Amino acid sequence: EPEVTQTPSHQVTQMGQEVILRCVPISNHLYFYWYRQILGQKVEFLVSFYNNEISEKSEIFDDQFSVERPDGSNFTLKIRSTKLEDSAMYFCASSVYGRDKNIQYFGAGTRLSVL
Amino acid sequence: AQKVTQAQTEISVVEKEDVTLDCVYETRDTTYYLFWYKQPPSGELVFLIRRNSFDEQNEISGRYSWNFQKSTSSFNFTITASQVVDSAVYFCALSEESGANNLFFGTGTRLTVIP
Repeated sequence: EPEVTQTPSHQVTQMGQEVILRCVPISNHLYFYWYRQILGQKVEFLVSFYNNEISEKSEIFDDQFSVERPDGSNFTLKIRSTKLEDSAMYFCASSVYGRDKNIQYFGAGTRLSVL
Repeated sequence: AQKVTQAQTEISVVEKEDVTLDCVYETRDTTYYLFWYKQPPSGELVFLIRRNSFDEQNEISGRYSWNFQKSTSSFNFTITASQVVDSAVYFCALSEESGANNLFFGTGTRLTVIP
């Protein structure tokens, strides 16, 4: 069964460093998303991406965040200068075009630890 | 503004008992979608079901059933004859037609099934 894959599964970084979280969405999907889940809290929407541009972003997604689809398969989330409060599980998701576009399939997540 | 409330933070049941997870939502949209996702100990988010606001038919899938009532803005999830493998955090989520497909999650209910 096709799935969303995320790498790495765990990323440890120093405060102030840049990190790139990588995702390979399901191959025929056209909508892509990033969410985050701070430990023990709910899953929060960060950004959605369609047709090579951001569709919507939340208040959390400030100037230190950016997303990119550098080729036909990868979808990345970059955090320019990490802060302690960026420590969280980051989930990538994707969905098809059409009536099922809001059924999002999630990857296993990348746990980001900022020290 | 949209909101999803899962008042039950943690539930423990003994194997083979039935359990109902509550979800109450708020939205101003007339067209919206409700979801349940499962997050097992391995951490990924697994899609379980989507209902749209015009379809109040209850749904049954094996041991899982869902009760959608617009009159009380609730979308409750029942597991019949629970099993240890059902132990997970369950999230209810809302997507509005006016939005860009992003999901608003509740805070989740941690279900522990005791053998």
